[in-house]
Amino acid sequence: DVKVTQSSRYLVKRTGEKVFLECVQDMDHENMFWYRQDPGLGLRLIYFSYDVKMKEKGDIPEGYSVSREKKERFSLILESASTNQTSMYLCASSKREATIEQYFGPGTRLTVT
Amino acid sequence: QKEVEQNSGPLSVPEGAIASLNCTYSDRGSQSFFWYRQYSGKSPELIMFIYSNGDKEDGRFTAQLNKASQYVSLLIRDSQPSDSATYLCAPDSGNTPLVFGKGTRLSVIA
Repeated sequence: DVKVTQSSRYLVKRTGEKVFLECVQDMDHENMFWYRQDPGLGLRLIYFSYDVKMKEKGDIPEGYSVSREKKERFSLILESASTNQTSMYLCASSKREATIEQYFGPGTRLTVT
Repeated sequence: QKEVEQNSGPLSVPEGAIASLNCTYSDRGSQSFFWYRQYSGKSPELIMFIYSNGDKEDGRFTAQLNKASQYVSLLIRDSQPSDSATYLCAPDSGNTPLVFGKGTRLSVIA
C-alpha cells in the first residue's frame, strides 16, 4: 500500500521566516511533486522531481525552492514566507511509467501571519 | 498550456439519482485519464482510470471517454451522501506531471 507522509498537518509561521515542508514516500517512486491548492484555483504545480538531485519548475515556482537528496524524500522550502503563501500544500509521488498515477500525501495547511 | 475544464458546481443531486460529471481537455496527446475524489479537508484519491474510448465500469462508477471530442465523464449511479466531494479530472500525456482540472463539487442530498 502506497504511503506518502508529510511532516505537519498544520503549520503557522510568521512573515519572513524560512519554512521547510517535508514529504516522504515509502514505495520507491521515482517521481515526486509539490502542489498548492487554493479555493477556486485548483491544484497548482510548484516543483517536481524525476530523480534524486533533479528538479523541474512547475507552473508557480516563484518564492519556493526544493531539495531531493534521497529518493524517498522531497522537501519544499519557502525562503521567506509571505502571507500570499498561506495555502494547503500537497505532496504526491508516482512511478516513472508511461501512465502516471499520482498518490497524494495528507497535505499541510500552512498559515503565514 | 494544457487546459482541463470542469464545471465547478456545486452539482446537487438527490440520493439514489445518477450524478454526471464532465471534463474537457485541450491536449490531443492525452492517452489516459484519471478521476480523483477529494473530500473536504482531505487529499485527492484515485477512483477511476480510463485509457480506451468507450465506457469503463467499476461498481457504481462509470467513466466514459471520447478522444475525438476530447471529452471524459464520470457517472455515479445510485448516488449516496458519502459521494459528496470534489471530483478532479486529470488527463495524462505521459512522462509529464498530471494537469488537474479545478474540480466539480458534488452534493448528494439525502
